[in-house]
Amino acid sequence: RKEVEQDPGPFNVPEGATVAFNCTYSNSASQSFFWYRQDCRKEPKLLMSVYSSGNEDGRFTAQLNRASQYISLLIRDSKLSDSATYLCVVTGLGGGADGLTFGKGTHLIIQP
Amino acid sequence: NAGVTQTPKFQVLKTGQSMTLQCAQDMNHEYMSWYRQDPGMGLRLIHYSVGAGITDQGEVPNGYNVSRSTTEDFPLRLLSAAPSQTSVYFCASSYRAGGPYEQYFGPGTRLTVT
Repeated sequence: RKEVEQDPGPFNVPEGATVAFNCTYSNSASQSFFWYRQDCRKEPKLLMSVYSSGNEDGRFTAQLNRASQYISLLIRDSKLSDSATYLCVVTGLGGGADGLTFGKGTHLIIQP
Repeated sequence: NAGVTQTPKFQVLKTGQSMTLQCAQDMNHEYMSWYRQDPGMGLRLIHYSVGAGITDQGEVPNGYNVSRSTTEDFPLRLLSAAPSQTSVYFCASSYRAGGPYEQYFGPGTRLTVT
């Protein structure tokens, strides 16, 4: 069974700090990788895609390590508004149920 | 575009009642899916559709039916509600299944079965 594993946390981090968390996936044939953000009692929303060469979007950096089968998310200069649950999502070439696997999420709390 | 819409936002049912959760998208997406989200369980796929007239089961399909008569709509039917179906239900759509395509989620339906 394909799995995506995340540390559920919570990660309690002071405002302004840098925080990083990883996600491991079991299917070596996985093709596409994403981080989604989910605020309390809201729907998940795409934060960023993760590219093989790594990519950055403002304070957020995502990296992919295919050899070790994990992706990471780094948040610099954390803000109170970064408090949320971060979902790791992995997709393959296949469609439907085989095409998309969600991790259970990492809960991040930024403290003033 | 309204994106993905879901109705109702909240619902309370008694055990044994049936109901339909509505989901619609206006982005002409081929792929639509239903998830339930329970504490500590993450998102679990109930049913999905790769196009009008095509549906298939996900990880937790028992007690639910779906149909996809149009590209836009993907209703989820609870046949005989049970307390174990108390959950938050999210509908999602994307241009295609799998691949590098963003999933767009609706705002969710919070269902309580007593």
